Amino acid sequence: DIQMTQSPSSLSASVGDRVTITCRASQGISSYLAWFQQKPGKAPKSLIYAASSLQSGVPSKFSGSGSGTDFTLTISSLQPEDFATYYCQQYNSYPPTFGGGTKVEIK
Amino acid sequence: QVQLVESGGGVVQPGGSLRLSCAASGFTFSNYGMHWVRQAPGKGLEWVAFIRYDGSNKFYADSVKGRFTISRDNSKNTLYLQMNSLRAEDTAVYYCASRTTMVTTWWYFDLWGRGTLVTVSS
Repeated sequence: DIQMTQSPSSLSASVGDRVTITCRASQGISSYLAWFQQKPGKAPKSLIYAASSLQSGVPSKFSGSGSGTDFTLTISSLQPEDFATYYCQQYNSYPPTFGGGTKVEIK
Repeated sequence: QVQLVESGGGVVQPGGSLRLSCAASGFTFSNYGMHWVRQAPGKGLEWVAFIRYDGSNKFYADSVKGRFTISRDNSKNTLYLQMNSLRAEDTAVYYCASRTTMVTTWWYFDLWGRGTLVTVSS
């Protein structure tokens, strides 16, 4: 199985901050990488697919980059509604696997 | 409106069985592969199972292989997960998921239901 490692596991940031989350795959997955946002008690919401393509309706403050084994999710200017847990997921091969999550909290 | 709605969760004793359902609406269900993904309380996401659009192929996580069965009824726009020999570690919110974006692999999903909670406890 492909292991997905996210860092950091949590971070504290202020409104307006630029935030970057990293995801590393244990082997190359090309650009078959998605990012999800999850708020407490809610289902995950798709943000990005194909490593850098924004899902319809997702604001442009979210961006993704990377290919192969190293990927990043960036939030350009953190807003109150962005405080949540973020997961990366590889869909290159069976079984699809998720990173452990990054909890973004208010400083 | 594209939507997935899970049902069938509840409390079950270890060793027991439960069947989850996922009702799809707003899209042509019979054209899409479907997944189950779960999340234990306070934990991360874990993919559970996948079934192709026509039911011809099914795949499972090692943790549930031989105990869970995924199936679908395209005439009813409904996905199922039959869970047998349940264990405490199967306690989780179970989500069904599909895709709205065209991608070239089976392992992608971007549409999620709200989930249904399964608690395995004596």
